[in-house]
Amino acid sequence: GAVVSQHPSRVICKSGTSVKIECRSLDFQATTMFWYRQFPKKSLMLMATSNEGSKATYEQGVEKDKFLINHASLTLSTLTVTSAHPEDSSFYICSASGWGMLRNNEQFFGPGTRLTVL
Amino acid sequence: AQTVTQSQPEMSVQEAETVTLSCTYDTSESDYYLFWYKQPPSRQMILVIRQEAYKQQNATENRFSVNFQKAAKSFSLKISDSQLGDAAMYFCAYRSPNTGNQFYFGTGTSLTVIP
Repeated sequence: GAVVSQHPSRVICKSGTSVKIECRSLDFQATTMFWYRQFPKKSLMLMATSNEGSKATYEQGVEKDKFLINHASLTLSTLTVTSAHPEDSSFYICSASGWGMLRNNEQFFGPGTRLTVL
Repeated sequence: AQTVTQSQPEMSVQEAETVTLSCTYDTSESDYYLFWYKQPPSRQMILVIRQEAYKQQNATENRFSVNFQKAAKSFSLKISDSQLGDAAMYFCAYRSPNTGNQFYFGTGTSLTVIP
């Protein structure tokens, strides 16, 4: 099956610093990647959609200058939380969808990244 | 945006029994896809079952089956012979062919399996 990895799995940082989270599709080319945020015992909230080589499309209410998304290749997307604050602490999940071996109507999820901002 | 509703925040089932999780959605589209995802304590999202709206036959995957009622916009998940490993959060998701593969998730149902 299709595998999506995320790195790091958990990160703790100081307030004001920036944190980068990587999302990789390991065995397929991801034409589209999605970034979600999930609060405890809550659903997944879509933050942004990124297509390879294009600027990300952000959902309403998500600050694009704070959550920088780059999808520079067909296997890698990154989410950078800039000037992180304690309220940015959350679980961040990426997912990917692609062509080729996959039907382009399914998303494959990474294992998530737990961000804690002190 | 499409709305997906899961009206049962929590459900419990005895081991080996059957449980049904409900999901309704609101859409004006005729062609779409529906999914059930499982999120165990590890937080990894796992696809349980999928249904294409153009297919009348309900999808089944081993102990998991759906009751897809297109006119009623209902998509319930039945878990038969429940096992301890089925304990997890279950999310219903809607995917439109018109929004670049974007998923709309329900609020989730927390399933407890009682030994």
